[in-house]
Amino acid sequence: NAGVTQTPKFRVLKTGQSMTLLCAQDMNHEYMYWYRQDPGMGLRLIHYSVGEGTTAKGEVPDGYNVSRLKKQNFLLGLESAAPSQTSVYFCASNPTGGSNQPQHFGDGTRLSIL
Amino acid sequence: GQSLEQPSEVTAVEGAIVQINCTYQTSGFYGLSWYQQHDGGAPTFLSYNALDGLEETGRFSSFLSRSDSYGYLLLQELQMKDSASYFCAVINSGAGSYQLTFGKGTKLSVIP
Repeated sequence: NAGVTQTPKFRVLKTGQSMTLLCAQDMNHEYMYWYRQDPGMGLRLIHYSVGEGTTAKGEVPDGYNVSRLKKQNFLLGLESAAPSQTSVYFCASNPTGGSNQPQHFGDGTRLSIL
Repeated sequence: GQSLEQPSEVTAVEGAIVQINCTYQTSGFYGLSWYQQHDGGAPTFLSYNALDGLEETGRFSSFLSRSDSYGYLLLQELQMKDSASYFCAVINSGAGSYQLTFGKGTKLSVIP
């Protein structure tokens, strides 16, 4: 069981470039999340999805878009990358979004915007 | 809004006990979770408290007092591998789903 897999693991972009981060989970989880983690800031929720075809904004959604066309995949897009988006991005999932259900995290994508 | 406060750094000796405190302010509170993250790694779930009291899982215990908006993580018989960052996270409801709001994390250093 792979769990939650994120690709790529590392990426360097120039300001203004676009890219998509992919998150895939093989646990048949309904809920999926994208977080960013900056030094000393903990994890902040960007967007989340409560099921296939649904997305919702989190705490820091500006500059990002997401799509959940298939249940197992949750994509995070940066249309025009900015240096402020340099961060480590984590994807997570949990079965049905219950308050007592742990979130399962991927290993992260380290993104640098020059 | 929501806010969580936890110490930024804690140092403890191998074999000792350490307590990491977390105070929070939030609306729609459902529970408090703790996650561990080693340097360069992914956060991993440690514990969840919805009701007041102590939950024990092996060497780790977590406590919650809803009336005080306070919780802590207790690590016993510290091992070098416990050196990591520990995050408390409140679970609250918003827009029809439960969400986690994380604290900024406590970096635990275990020394010989």
